[in-house]
Amino acid sequence: EDQVTQSPEALRLQEGESSSLNCSYTVSGLRGLFWYRQDPGKGPEFLFTLYSAGEEKEKERLKATLTKKESFLHITAPKPEDSATYLCAVAGSGSRLTFGEGTQLTVNP
Amino acid sequence: DAGVIQSPRHEVTEMGQEVTLRCKPISGHDYLFWYRQTMMRGLELLIYFNNNVPIDDSGMPEDRFSAKMPNASFSTLKIQPSEPRDSAVYFCASSFGYGYTFGSGTRLTVV
Repeated sequence: EDQVTQSPEALRLQEGESSSLNCSYTVSGLRGLFWYRQDPGKGPEFLFTLYSAGEEKEKERLKATLTKKESFLHITAPKPEDSATYLCAVAGSGSRLTFGEGTQLTVNP
Repeated sequence: DAGVIQSPRHEVTEMGQEVTLRCKPISGHDYLFWYRQTMMRGLELLIYFNNNVPIDDSGMPEDRFSAKMPNASFSTLKIQPSEPRDSAVYFCASSFGYGYTFGSGTRLTVV
């Protein structure tokens, strides 16, 4: 059974204070690892897909990296508008994604 | 494209009543997923369809839950009878491949 564990559960940062979120996974035959952002009262919004170890993707202040056991979402010089819950998910066999429980990020001005 | 459209946005019902949640996926997407999200359990996959055919319903918690997809542009999730522990946000998502697009969800409260 595919499993995804995210840490920390919650993270508070000051504006401009860079940090990283972790996603550890176990999956038989990784077909992709996905990062989503979820704002309160909304559905998850797709950010990145990573397919193989060593791959990196960037979007504005966010950079996602992937190893054989985990993925990191690095946030550089965050702003208050980056506050959200960040979800990690893996695709193994089949067409379904298995989601972690998320990291709730708060960036204070 | 208007994205994945779910209705209603909010539903408050009394225990024992039937509840029907609706979803219109993105045109051209061949997969449709129903998820439930709670603080305690996060996002849980309930059921998913491929080309309107149910593929995996192992996440459906009980026989009180049922889902249909009569055509490529519409799906329903029904709970009958509803119970307070069914209170959650229910999301529909559609995809072509692994790029899921989620709807805004239906917040269900059963009192």
